[in-house]
Amino acid sequence: DAGVTQSPTHLIKTRGQQVTLRCSPISGHKSVSWYQQVLGQGPQFIFQYYEKEERGRGNFPDRFSARQFPNYSSELNVNALLLGDSALYLCASATGWGKETQYFGPGTRLLVL
Amino acid sequence: AQSVTQLDSQVPVFEEAPVELRCNYSSSVSVYLFWYVQYPNQGLQLLLKYLSGSTLVESINGFEAEFNKSQTSFHLRKPSVHISDTAEYFCAVIREGNFNKFYFGSGTKLNVKP
Repeated sequence: DAGVTQSPTHLIKTRGQQVTLRCSPISGHKSVSWYQQVLGQGPQFIFQYYEKEERGRGNFPDRFSARQFPNYSSELNVNALLLGDSALYLCASATGWGKETQYFGPGTRLLVL
Repeated sequence: AQSVTQLDSQVPVFEEAPVELRCNYSSSVSVYLFWYVQYPNQGLQLLLKYLSGSTLVESINGFEAEFNKSQTSFHLRKPSVHISDTAEYFCAVIREGNFNKFYFGSGTKLNVKP
């Protein structure tokens, strides 16, 4: 079975632009979570979606939004990019939510200039 | 507030030596604990987890961690490390009643030297 896939792998944007990151979960997984990992730090929770509904949100501004599609894939959108948004964005999928093991994708590395 | 502290940002160790990576958490409610490993340019992989039952949990590649409720710790240990264990290790917790959010520590880079 394929693991969690994310696209694109790398992305360069300028301040003020908007970006969309994509995630395909493992087949059969209905939960997708998004994390931001700034260089030298641990992942910070952004969102969790389960069955196409938002189940959790971290301490991120409203510039960050996400959605989950009927096939359980997900998109993370970031508007009005700031230099501080430069990070590795990780997607994780799980069969359910909560104590379920999360399986992480390789991430999308975003650089904002 | 939930927090996870990994006390050592880097741990250098020689091959075949023992190692302990420390993790402490703060929470007023029950927690569930995880260790993830991140190899260079890869995503995170689950190493082991504690949900309930025996406080000592083991991974398939020789790591073990012990949940100590009184000391609010979940330290990761391996009696003899290999070069291939070189990676960054993250401790994570989720809180009873708030299963939606994983809280990660800042990570510990394990550098195994020959």
